[in-house]
Amino acid sequence: KAGVTQTPRYLIKTRGQQVTLSCSPISGHRSVSWYQQTPGQGLQFLFEYFSETQRNKGNFPGRFSGRQFSNSRSEMNVSTLELGDSALYLCASSLEGDEVYNEQFFGPGTRLTVL
Amino acid sequence: GNSVTQMEGPVTLSEEAFLTINCTYTATGYPSLFWYVQYPGEGLQLLLKATKADDKGSNKGFEATYRKETTSFHLEKGSVQVSDSAVYFCAHMNYGGSQGNLIFGKGTKLSVKP
Repeated sequence: KAGVTQTPRYLIKTRGQQVTLSCSPISGHRSVSWYQQTPGQGLQFLFEYFSETQRNKGNFPGRFSGRQFSNSRSEMNVSTLELGDSALYLCASSLEGDEVYNEQFFGPGTRLTVL
Repeated sequence: GNSVTQMEGPVTLSEEAFLTINCTYTATGYPSLFWYVQYPGEGLQLLLKATKADDKGSNKGFEATYRKETTSFHLEKGSVQVSDSAVYFCAHMNYGGSQGNLIFGKGTKLSVKP
């Protein structure tokens, strides 16, 4: 079974631009979560999608948004990029089940550099 | 608020040494606890987990026990190898909450020398 894939793997943008990152979950997984990893702040939760609906959101400004498609693939968008948005963006997918924690499987990440 | 605190690195050990990475958490309710590992240039991999008090998670020689009384989940390995060099993250998630909301510690970088 293929793992979580993220595209592109590397991206360079300039301040003020916008960017879209893509995540394809493991086949059959319906929940997709996004995290930002930086040396200063570590790993921080951005948002989580399930059945095309945002179910939970972290403490990030409105410039960060996302969506999920009917095939569970997800995109996240960052508008008006700032230098501080330079980070590794990780996507994770999981099954959905009641009363049982379902392991989150992470992709390799997209390395975004803002110049 | 919910948080995870783990010992700062980097930790440098010789091959076959004993490893302990401390982790404590603050959470409401009874969270599931995890250790993730990140090898250079890669995403996170789940190393082990424990879902209730006194559970011991284990994998690849690593172990951690869920200690509710001390709110801790320390990672241990009896004999580390060079291939264990990576960054280790302690994390928790609450049952009943969103499946997506893992809360991570800052990570501990481990370097194992031959």
